[in-house]
Amino acid sequence: DARVTQTPRDKVTEMGQEVTMRCQPILGHNTVFWYRQTMMQGLELLAYFRNRAPLDDSGMPKDRFSAEMPDATLATLKIQPSEPRDSAVYFCASGTGQPPDTQYFGPGTRLTVL
Amino acid sequence: RKEVEQDPGPFNVPEGATVAFNCTYSNSASQSFFWYRQDCRKEPKLLMSVYSSGNEDGRFTAQLNRASQYISLLIRDSKLSDSATYLCVVEGYSTLTFGKGTMLLVSP
Repeated sequence: DARVTQTPRDKVTEMGQEVTMRCQPILGHNTVFWYRQTMMQGLELLAYFRNRAPLDDSGMPKDRFSAEMPDATLATLKIQPSEPRDSAVYFCASGTGQPPDTQYFGPGTRLTVL
Repeated sequence: RKEVEQDPGPFNVPEGATVAFNCTYSNSASQSFFWYRQDCRKEPKLLMSVYSSGNEDGRFTAQLNRASQYISLLIRDSKLSDSATYLCVVEGYSTLTFGKGTMLLVSP
């Protein structure tokens, strides 16, 4: 049963620290998405990759967030420096890139910035 | 108008009831539509795609009205295990836009 995996599952850190979240998409999927979910805003798209190339990161605060895909099996999302308002659940999802482009979500990283 | 709008609920229904959720979307160029289900503290999971002709999967029926930009989900014979948040999802420009979800609580 192929699944998207994410690490860490939970992260508590102090304001100003760097946070790195990792995602392994489903093998063979060529689209990868990073989302942030909060009670107030719901699910927000942060960044989107196709074939490892970033296509859309307009939802991401550029001054502190960065997203990369070093290879087809790893996507990373970094926050530096982290702030309390970054506290949220961060989901990675992957898809085939073919319509209808169903996305399969990982279990998420619950981030708390103190 | 918000891109994807849903009544947040919660909808409280007894087991065996029929319940319907609605969703409106603003992007008339959208081509694909979905309902996802999210359990508390879990990731969203695809429940079903929504086709123009309407589609059914067991107790679940999804309908799309392109003219009104409106999507619905009907759940018949509700089970306790149906308690979750249901997310309306609309495809636009190769990405998905999620509604904030409608919470369903099914009680014994």
